[in-house]
Amino acid sequence: RKEVEQDPGPFNVPEGATVAFNCTYSNSASQSFFWYRQDCRKEPKLLMSVYSSGNEDGRFTAQLNRASQYISLLIRDSKLSDSATYLCVVKKWGQLTFGSGTQLTVLP
Amino acid sequence: EAGVAQSPRYKIIEKRQSVAFWCNPISGHATLYWYQQILGQGPKLLIQFQNNGVVDDSQLPKDRFSAERLKGVDSTLKIQPAKLEDSAVYLCASSNVRVSSYNEQFFGPGTRLTVL
Repeated sequence: RKEVEQDPGPFNVPEGATVAFNCTYSNSASQSFFWYRQDCRKEPKLLMSVYSSGNEDGRFTAQLNRASQYISLLIRDSKLSDSATYLCVVKKWGQLTFGSGTQLTVLP
Repeated sequence: EAGVAQSPRYKIIEKRQSVAFWCNPISGHATLYWYQQILGQGPKLLIQFQNNGVVDDSQLPKDRFSAERLKGVDSTLKIQPAKLEDSAVYLCASSNVRVSSYNEQFFGPGTRLTVL
């Protein structure tokens, strides 16, 4: 079983749609959690950290459920520029473990 | 502030040849990471350095891969001899603190390796 599992997609949604990505992790000792964004042929970049209380950054909302070992990302009012691969990431002792990513394409 | 620099950006070699990648982290970042990202997968950690010492190299295929960070700044990752399955993007990242839970890793643009 992979340590971090994501639905690979692809998700093709129209502009303005709301889309949700889910992720599960297997190591209950994981310490912190993130969503990274990776554009085609580019390096991953931190999108946002994920907290148990839930956190929001503009159109993006992330949620963590430690009991279920489940992480989510919600994107509201999708823009063309949101098209990318979204990587679910867990961190333990300074080391990141990445999921395989979920590909999102926002269509005009 | 300059980001993580990597070179070359692209490399094509034949199997059984050798190849080396170079990384220059963000100035002042003590921790440096090398990742391998195979097409369709997330990055996988190969090796982590703290200054010039190895913190973790448990996922580095040591029969063919080696890495060094002699002066605690730049780092080199080498593959000798390369196999077809080594075709991937090799990403270097750096961060300021090793165990801080919320410290961000910054990635370089990567080196895209194709082994023919």
